[in-house]
Amino acid sequence: SQTIHQWPATLVQPVGSPLSLECTVEGTSNPNLYWYRQAAGRGLQLLFYSVGIGQISSEVPQNLSASRPQDRQFILSSKKLLLSDSGFYLCAWSAGRYEQYFGPGTRLTVT
Amino acid sequence: GENVEQHPSTLSVQEGDSAVIKCTYSDSASNYFPWYKQELGKRPQLIIDIRSNVGEKKDQRIAVTLNKTAKHFSLHITETQPEDSAVYFCAASGTSYDKVIFGPGTSLSVIP
Repeated sequence: SQTIHQWPATLVQPVGSPLSLECTVEGTSNPNLYWYRQAAGRGLQLLFYSVGIGQISSEVPQNLSASRPQDRQFILSSKKLLLSDSGFYLCAWSAGRYEQYFGPGTRLTVT
Repeated sequence: GENVEQHPSTLSVQEGDSAVIKCTYSDSASNYFPWYKQELGKRPQLIIDIRSNVGEKKDQRIAVTLNKTAKHFSLHITETQPEDSAVYFCAASGTSYDKVIFGPGTSLSVIP
């Protein structure tokens, strides 16, 4: 069966510091991968999605970037965090255009 | 691009009553409509979905209906229980891209 991992689970970072969040999927090949951000009490904002290695589509221009160095690995990065980057970051995978399955998430607090 | 609206934003019902959440979408090419449940502090979980060739789908106490002409779909929960309390998100997916657009969510509270 397929499993999706995210780490770290929680993170507290000062403003201006770099960020690297990692997501990996097991049990499937060539998944579609997604990064979402959820502010406290809010909906799901799609940040990036990838349909293959090296293929990244950005939905929202901001100080975040994403990379997919391996088939089942998706990384979210920032060179300098802002206070507004605080939130619950969710990685998700799908086998195509349909069912998406979310990872456990990373709760990021920027201080 | 696709835009999904969802109503109401909050919903409170008595245990045992029914709950209905309604969503509309803008892209007539959308053909996949999932619903997710998110409990506090946890990841969203897919609870039911419907595709454009089906008008209604039921799974125990949960049912979804789809009206493609009007571009709206609904989630119905019958015989609500306290464990149904959560935030529910509707979503829509089109045909030309591999992404799902989510509605803003409905916070459902089931009062014992």
